[in-house]
Amino acid sequence: ETGVTQTPRHLVMGMTNKKSLKCEQHLGHNAMYWYKQSAKKPLELMFVYNFKEQTENNSVPSRFSPECPNSSHLFLHLHTLQPEDSALYLCASSQDWASGGAETQYFGPGTRLLVL
Amino acid sequence: GQNIDQPTEMTATEGAIVQINCTYQTSGFNGLFWYQQHAGEAPTFLSYNVLDGLEEKGRFSSFLSRSKGYSYLLLKELQMKDSASYLCAVRDRDYKLSFGAGTTVTVRA
Repeated sequence: ETGVTQTPRHLVMGMTNKKSLKCEQHLGHNAMYWYKQSAKKPLELMFVYNFKEQTENNSVPSRFSPECPNSSHLFLHLHTLQPEDSALYLCASSQDWASGGAETQYFGPGTRLLVL
Repeated sequence: GQNIDQPTEMTATEGAIVQINCTYQTSGFNGLFWYQQHAGEAPTFLSYNVLDGLEEKGRFSSFLSRSKGYSYLLLKELQMKDSASYLCAVRDRDYKLSFGAGTTVTVRA
């Protein structure tokens, strides 16, 4: 149990659908992250929120839209996705965005997304 | 951009030792992390290095050489449950984490 939960765990959607991924952290952290993990590729950072403010958008297409209503919840809204967007989407949290030292990120189990 | 390299796959026998190497080229350096990820599960934190040298934590050790842009994760007394993907990640001067593609370790009986 990492204290970071994600729903749904699996999602199949068509290219014209609209869906949302949800992440919740119970660790009292202030920073939350979305990553994309494709097979045999490194984790790609998509978005960072620190104290509910977006601090990083890593050149992500506009068909991915994040939302952070409070420090505990993070959403990723999806619309008109492409088959190449099929991947594992991981949420993570940490105490703070720019904290140094051994401060690590805690990951959720991910949402396995398949776009048909 | 950032460049993190690690081998794709490694296989070892139960009870043996395996060393997973990681080389990196990043914009500044603020620490190196190793994560373990079992299939279908979240990556979990294993170790952190920011100074040169060896950090030991039970059966797992991690080494760092900043001048060489090099780290390794050493897994000793391998157990079947150690079969997983091991991710090397480097935090740069902007506190962004860049990940390698992961090394899949298979432990055979």
